[in-house]
Amino acid sequence: DTEVTQTPKHLVMGMTNKKSLKCEQHMGHRAMYWYKQKAKKPPELMFVYSYEKLSINESVPSRFSPECPNSSLLNLHLHALQPEDSALYLCASSRFPDRGSTVAKNIQYFGAGTRLSVL
Amino acid sequence: AQKVTQAQTEISVVEKEDVTLDCVYETRDTTYYLFWYKQPPSGELVFLIRRNSFDEQNEISGRYSWNFQKSTSSFNFTITASQVVDSAVYFCALSEAATGANSKLTFGKGITLSVRP
Repeated sequence: DTEVTQTPKHLVMGMTNKKSLKCEQHMGHRAMYWYKQKAKKPPELMFVYSYEKLSINESVPSRFSPECPNSSLLNLHLHALQPEDSALYLCASSRFPDRGSTVAKNIQYFGAGTRLSVL
Repeated sequence: AQKVTQAQTEISVVEKEDVTLDCVYETRDTTYYLFWYKQPPSGELVFLIRRNSFDEQNEISGRYSWNFQKSTSSFNFTITASQVVDSAVYFCALSEAATGANSKLTFGKGITLSVRP
């Protein structure tokens, strides 16, 4: 089962709201990712968590705050967003490599995303 | 730095036609991995295939086939006898072993495939 579940599917929020996106996987994956995708563009990496620790932050504004409370769950807390933050937010997960192997080969499995509109 | 180029932006075919989606990549690493993902209108990126830099064997999976050629740095994807359900955006992506402890995918811009009945 290669399922990554994201909730909610759609979210509309005002610029002063605080909301959270949730991502869950039960595949035993220890690497989890947040991507942002604008229309007709490829996904852009935002954050990577490895073993529940933040390992990559692609210079994302602080109004986006990730959290990985356990190995199955990844959250993205949103506060004071701008209209240009409207996009599809995708979560992904992958195995962590075996000793002596490279993480580069690991397949990232994606959720269906949350379509966010900021008014 | 790595780069993935998908020169085709939109392709439209009639059902049952064969279609090839092109992918050209750049990397200085000797160990790397190439991927194809499909993104239907629902939004989820669906993994299709992974190929490592040491394995140049072509692969066929049902109506899908992939041609990997290191000499031309290309990893092309062919759909035989296309169907309406193949309509989606297709992304080619590259992951380098040199990135170390974290897996970063470099995506191409994507190709929008429309299959008309």
